[in-house]
Amino acid sequence: DIQMTQSPSALSASIGDRVTITCRASQSFGSWLAWYQQKPGKVPKLLIYKASTLESGVPSRFSGSGSGTEVTLTISSLQPDDAATYYCQQYKSYPWTFGQGTKVEI
Amino acid sequence: VQLVQSGAEVKKPGESLKISCKASGYKFITYYIAWVRQMPGKGLEWMGIIYPGDSDLKYSPSFQGRVSVSVDKSNTTAYLQWGSLKASDTAMYYCARWGGYNYGPFDFWGQGTLVTVSS
Repeated sequence: DIQMTQSPSALSASIGDRVTITCRASQSFGSWLAWYQQKPGKVPKLLIYKASTLESGVPSRFSGSGSGTEVTLTISSLQPDDAATYYCQQYKSYPWTFGQGTKVEI
Repeated sequence: VQLVQSGAEVKKPGESLKISCKASGYKFITYYIAWVRQMPGKGLEWMGIIYPGDSDLKYSPSFQGRVSVSVDKSNTTAYLQWGSLKASDTAMYYCARWGGYNYGPFDFWGQGTLVTVSS
């Protein structure tokens, strides 16, 4: 199995800050990496797939980069609506695996 | 596109259960359906995935033998089934679809089914 590790596990930032979340894997996932946002009590929402492709309708302040065994999710200017937990997920090989999540507080 | 899941369940340990995920608004047989578990206060766990076109099925080793995933193409519905529930199965279960490598995984999700197992 490909193990996914996110860092940090939690962070607190201010409105307008640039926020970066890192996801590292135990082996290569190529570019088959997705990021999700989940707000409390809500269904996860796809933000980015293929490591850097923004899902339709997702604000452009979200971006993804990297490949292989390390990727990053960047929020260029943190907004109040971005308070949530963010998960990375590899879908290169079964079983697909998620990171443990990063909780972003404003 | 909609994935509508069956309602919350309260069961006793040892009981069986089958929950459903009804798909609409797209061609059912051309998208995979996966199941994802989220235990209370915890992260997301990928359980397994099925391709309705040919019922090709993959399980996570963590869930293999504990659950069964199936589909009914005529009713565009996917199912997740337990033969004997444990208290540790208490969780929210989501279904989600995947269109293949030209698309993002899990672009649409069901609303979740809360399963509570308690004596």
